[in-house]
Amino acid sequence: QKEVEQDPGPLSVPEGAIVSLNCTYSNSAFQYFMWYRQYSRKGPELLMYTYSSGNKEDGRFTAQVDKSSKYISLFIRDSQPSDSATYLCAMSRMNRDDKIIFGKGTRLHILP
Amino acid sequence: EPEVTQTPSHQVTQMGQEVILRCVPISNHLYFYWYRQILGQKVEFLVSFYNNEISEKSEIFDDQFSVERPDGSNFTLKIRSTKLEDSAMYFCASSAGTQNTEAFFGQGTRLTVV
Repeated sequence: QKEVEQDPGPLSVPEGAIVSLNCTYSNSAFQYFMWYRQYSRKGPELLMYTYSSGNKEDGRFTAQVDKSSKYISLFIRDSQPSDSATYLCAMSRMNRDDKIIFGKGTRLHILP
Repeated sequence: EPEVTQTPSHQVTQMGQEVILRCVPISNHLYFYWYRQILGQKVEFLVSFYNNEISEKSEIFDDQFSVERPDGSNFTLKIRSTKLEDSAMYFCASSAGTQNTEAFFGQGTRLTVV
């Protein structure tokens, strides 16, 4: 079983729709869970991070972590064409300075 | 806003040649990383560096790879004898090292080995 699994998409949704992105993981040692956005041929940009289980909201973005199911989600409300990018889930162990393990990324297209 | 800068943005090299990828981390950061992303694949950890030594390295980071912080501001990745399969985007990242801080990534160097 891969350490982090993420559906690569592509996922196409109309502007204004709610987008749901998710990942599963196998390593129960992961404690920090992150979502990065990556535009083509650019570096990953951190969107949100959460520690352990629970929800975190930041504007139109909500991150959810369910450690019992080893499942994390990112929801984007009122999606905009500018949200079109590849979204990478990522996680690390106890220390935030620990290496980050990335999912493969989901390509998202928001259709105007 | 502080950022991690990487040079060059694109490097083309012949197989067997040595390359050095350069990074300037954010100035007050203490932890430095290199990751790579082969086209169409996921971002993979290569090495972490703290207090002038390697903290952790992946199995990808073999004897052909080395890292150095030569002057307190730059952080370099050297590949001694490049192979075709080394072609990838290489990302440098840095973090402040305190709890709940994030790792900032540079824009990457695209390495093409021909």
